[in-house]
Amino acid sequence: EVQLVESGGGLVQPGGSLRLSCAASGITFSSSWMSWVRQVPGKGPVWVSRISPDGSRTNYADSVKGRFTISRDNAKNTLYLQMNSLRAEDTAVYYCIRGGWSLDIWGQGTMVTVSS
Amino acid sequence: DIVMTQTPLSLSVTPGQPASISCKSSESLLHSDGKTYLNWYLQKPGQPPQLLIYELSNRFSGAPDRFSGSGSGTDFTLKVSRVEAEDAGIYYCMQSVQVPLTFGGGTKVEIK
Repeated sequence: EVQLVESGGGLVQPGGSLRLSCAASGITFSSSWMSWVRQVPGKGPVWVSRISPDGSRTNYADSVKGRFTISRDNAKNTLYLQMNSLRAEDTAVYYCIRGGWSLDIWGQGTMVTVSS
Repeated sequence: DIVMTQTPLSLSVTPGQPASISCKSSESLLHSDGKTYLNWYLQKPGQPPQLLIYELSNRFSGAPDRFSGSGSGTDFTLKVSRVEAEDAGIYYCMQSVQVPLTFGGGTKVEIK
């Protein structure tokens, strides 16, 4: 069964850090582009970042560039999103997704709340 | 950034009737590789978006054949030939021809 399971979300103060993880199973993770998309409840999805299969190529939305870092461990079939200098506007559900162009398989998401 | 504009904002459809959603992009989504990078998603309440159509007109695995995508350049359409109750939710178009990938504002479909 194809499965992407995010973890690491929670409540963090402005300026703080969080690292999201995404455990993949049922897909050929090491040959897949992977992406992160976030969505404020009740609003539309917003693309955050993507990474190539070998991790050598990454892209970021301007709103997170310099603060977030996408990475992966192909030996562990795990995708990461390191989020630093968090702001209230980063509050959202964060989805891990297979694909860099056709985002085809989505996890259930993990909620990140940035608030004092 | 490419702006994606969807119409209508909402739609109320009787089961068995067709439905159509429009999506317009501020730039062409035709890539030099010949593919058009336009996807359609359906998000049901409490669930992540699910891919229906990728690269303009290709139905993703598991997407019912009543869904079809068409268009070219900057104008695109998602059609549902005969709406069923399970088709309720919010539909999004998304472009992936260039970074940042961007989504349309969504079309909420209600089943009468």
